[in-house]
Amino acid sequence: NAGVTQTPKFQVLKTGQSMTLQCAQDMNHNSMYWYRQDPGMGLRLIYYSASEGTTDKGEVPNGYNVSRLNKREFSLRLESAAPSQTSVYFCATQLGLQGYEQYFGPGTRLTVT
Amino acid sequence: QQQVKQSPQSLIVQKGGISIINCAYENTAFDYFPWYQQFPGKGPALLIAIRPDVSEKKEGRFTISFNKSAKQFSLHIMDSQPGDSATYFCAVSGNQGGKLIFGQGTELSVKP
Repeated sequence: NAGVTQTPKFQVLKTGQSMTLQCAQDMNHNSMYWYRQDPGMGLRLIYYSASEGTTDKGEVPNGYNVSRLNKREFSLRLESAAPSQTSVYFCATQLGLQGYEQYFGPGTRLTVT
Repeated sequence: QQQVKQSPQSLIVQKGGISIINCAYENTAFDYFPWYQQFPGKGPALLIAIRPDVSEKKEGRFTISFNKSAKQFSLHIMDSQPGDSATYFCAVSGNQGGKLIFGQGTELSVKP
């Protein structure tokens, strides 16, 4: 079992370019999450999907879109990258909605120049 | 708004010592309080978690102390080891889609 996988591991973009971060899980979990991690700010929720077919905004959704393609896959899209989106992005999964452990992927380090 | 405040930002402890990290939260509706551990270049991983119906939970060298009236909880690492050197995050969760709200993180360094 691979758990939670993310691609790519590293990416450098120029301002204005677009890209999609991919996340896949083989844990049969219902809920999936996208976070960004910045120094001194912890992890902040961008978007989440409580179940297949649903998505909701988190704390910092501006500049991002998501797609819950199926139960396994949850992608994060940057339509027009900005330097402020330079960060490490983590995908996480959770079995249900209430007080379950979240399992994190290895992260994608994104730099926008 | 900062719903979870974590301190200290960094901590240096000698091998064998006790590491203590604190978190304070605002919303009394939160009912799940996990601590995550993150090593460099890796994603966070659940270390230990507590619910508000108990005041303390211990797993090996790791203990969560929970003070519901003060809206505070802390992580104690007994007999700290160099392998415990990592960043630790507290988090809170309530009945809102399983979302976690994380603290700012504490970088722990255990010196041999």
